[in-house]
Amino acid sequence: QQKVQQSPESLIVPEGGMASLNCTSSDRNVDYFWWYRQHSGKSPKMLMSIFSNGEKEEGRFTVHLNKASLHTSLHIRDSQPSDSALYLCAANTGYQNFYFGKGTSLTVIP
Amino acid sequence: EAAVTQSPRNKVTVTGGNVTLSCRQTNSHNYMYWYRQDTGHGLRLIHYSYGAGNLQIGDVPDGYKATRTTQEDFFLLLELASPSQTSLYFCASSDRVTEVFFGKGTRLTVV
Repeated sequence: QQKVQQSPESLIVPEGGMASLNCTSSDRNVDYFWWYRQHSGKSPKMLMSIFSNGEKEEGRFTVHLNKASLHTSLHIRDSQPSDSALYLCAANTGYQNFYFGKGTSLTVIP
Repeated sequence: EAAVTQSPRNKVTVTGGNVTLSCRQTNSHNYMYWYRQDTGHGLRLIHYSYGAGNLQIGDVPDGYKATRTTQEDFFLLLELASPSQTSLYFCASSDRVTEVFFGKGTRLTVV
């Protein structure tokens, strides 16, 4: 059973638009959530992390976390073609067991 | 910048062959992981380790062995490779509540 579910599987947005990605964990022991970005042919790299309820913003990227529902979302405003990538959500417990979702493939159309 | 080095980067082997994938990290991290990535399945954890001599079973361990010989080195062994093990393999390292750092990946093809 996949412990981290992501939606949608794929997303197409116009350049300058807003992309919204979702992630939910089914493991109530999860404490930490991470968002990774993987460009084609490259390895995943951490984009943002969030550990507490609420919102965190870094430039064009904003993440939200609701620990009660174990749901996190990533929002990319003013999307650029260079944002086109696979976005992976990960969650882990204090025992450092990272679970990754299947990812959302984002395409930004110029 | 944290460093995780995988070798080889590409490997082709025959069904039934032996393959060893190597990984070295220079981050002084305690935790190391082996993942496989396949279209439609995302990243799936094969084995992981908390330190030298320690081995933990991940979610898809069948057909794989792993060994952590030192804090830096983590190996993945396929003793009887099958076509279903054709995949992109990532090694990674982390420490407590830190991000996971990935190597560049090894593309394995079993023919």
